[in-house]
Amino acid sequence: DIVMTQTPLSSAVSLGQPASISCRSSQSLVHSDGNTYLSWLQQRPGQPPRLLIYNISNRFSGVPDRFSGSGAGTDFTLKISRVDAEDVGVYYCMQAAQFLTFGGGTKVEIK
Amino acid sequence: QVQLQESGPGLVKPSQTLSLTCTVSGVSISSGSYYWSWIRQPAGKGLEWLGLIYTSGNTNYNPSLKSRVTISVDTSRNQFSLKLSSVTAADTALYYCARDLIDWGQGTLVTVSS
Repeated sequence: DIVMTQTPLSSAVSLGQPASISCRSSQSLVHSDGNTYLSWLQQRPGQPPRLLIYNISNRFSGVPDRFSGSGAGTDFTLKISRVDAEDVGVYYCMQAAQFLTFGGGTKVEIK
Repeated sequence: QVQLQESGPGLVKPSQTLSLTCTVSGVSISSGSYYWSWIRQPAGKGLEWLGLIYTSGNTNYNPSLKSRVTISVDTSRNQFSLKLSSVTAADTALYYCARDLIDWGQGTLVTVSS
């Protein structure tokens, strides 16, 4: 099974400041089809998760461009260039290279 | 606009089978190249994928739950369903259904207790 490890567990960020979340997989997420199936989801309080980024760095429709994803192989990063109040919530990385596995989540709050 | 709605008993007794249904609107469950998933989330904890079914009818299950999970589709009702057998208190969670992990239901809380 592929294990996804996120750091930090939580992050308190001032409004307008950047935030960064790391995700490491226990195996390479490069699929035999050449794609790397690493996504990021946001879960606001009391809401279901929402897809932000897919295939490492592709923003889903309607996602603000302050969100960006990067990485390769087993190491990935989600960055928020300027944190907004609506960004409060828990962020999950997820792999779909071999079944589906979520990271443990990173809670982002406003300092 | 695609919408999903979970339904089913909110309370299940230990050792029994949990059964949930996801009703889909806005798209035919038998069209396109989608996958339909069940994910759960214990209170205050993270997300756990249970399994999925493709439009083709093929299924994939979480290896750690494979022996207890069954996902099926009812195209006539535009629904897909989850069955989880031999439940324990550890299966108490908010259960979500989703399409391609893009469209999600609001979730339904299932408590396992006698």
